[in-house]
Amino acid sequence: AQSVTQPDIHITVSEGASLELRCNYSYGATPYLFWYVQSPGQGLQLLLKYFSGDTLVQGIKGFEAEFKRSQSSFNLRKPSVHWSDAAEYFCAVADDKIIFGKGTRLHILP
Amino acid sequence: NAGVMQNPRHLVRRRGQEARLRCSPMKGHSHVYWYRQLPEEGLKFMVYLQKENIIDESGMPKERFSAEFPKEGPSILRIQQVVRGDSAAYFCASSPGGGQPQHFGDGTRLSIL
Repeated sequence: AQSVTQPDIHITVSEGASLELRCNYSYGATPYLFWYVQSPGQGLQLLLKYFSGDTLVQGIKGFEAEFKRSQSSFNLRKPSVHWSDAAEYFCAVADDKIIFGKGTRLHILP
Repeated sequence: NAGVMQNPRHLVRRRGQEARLRCSPMKGHSHVYWYRQLPEEGLKFMVYLQKENIIDESGMPKERFSAEFPKEGPSILRIQQVVRGDSAAYFCASSPGGGQPQHFGDGTRLSIL
């Protein structure tokens, strides 16, 4: 069965520092992978997606993610975070329905 | 606003009442998905619908919960005889087809007194 693991529940980084959020998935075939961001009281916004092709995917707001089949990972990165990036981030795998990880809450220190 | 529209944003019900949550998909999207988010949890899939058809309801509780997506009008998630444990945020998403990126609404926050 498909599953997604986000091992970090909370992460705190300083503004301007680099960021990596971890995501591991379990899926029988080539997965469709997504990262979503959720600000407090809001719905989810799609940051980026991987369907096939180039394993380094660029998204909105300066985020990128790298698909590594050998590690079953799809980690999200950003070279320099801004205070407005504080939110909850969800990794997801999909066929027809989406299976979400439990999320990583990102805190930004001034 | 051409996004996924959910209403109401907040809904308060007493135990035993019925809750009706509405979702209008993005223009051109015929696939609708409902998810539930409990505090400190990720989103859990509930049901996947196309117009007039339930495609996958493997995440729906067996009792009290139902969903529809009629030919005309929004998709409705109905919870009958609500209990405290139904308190959660319910999100709707839509896509143009299965496996396509889903666009999410801002959710309905259901509180049960």
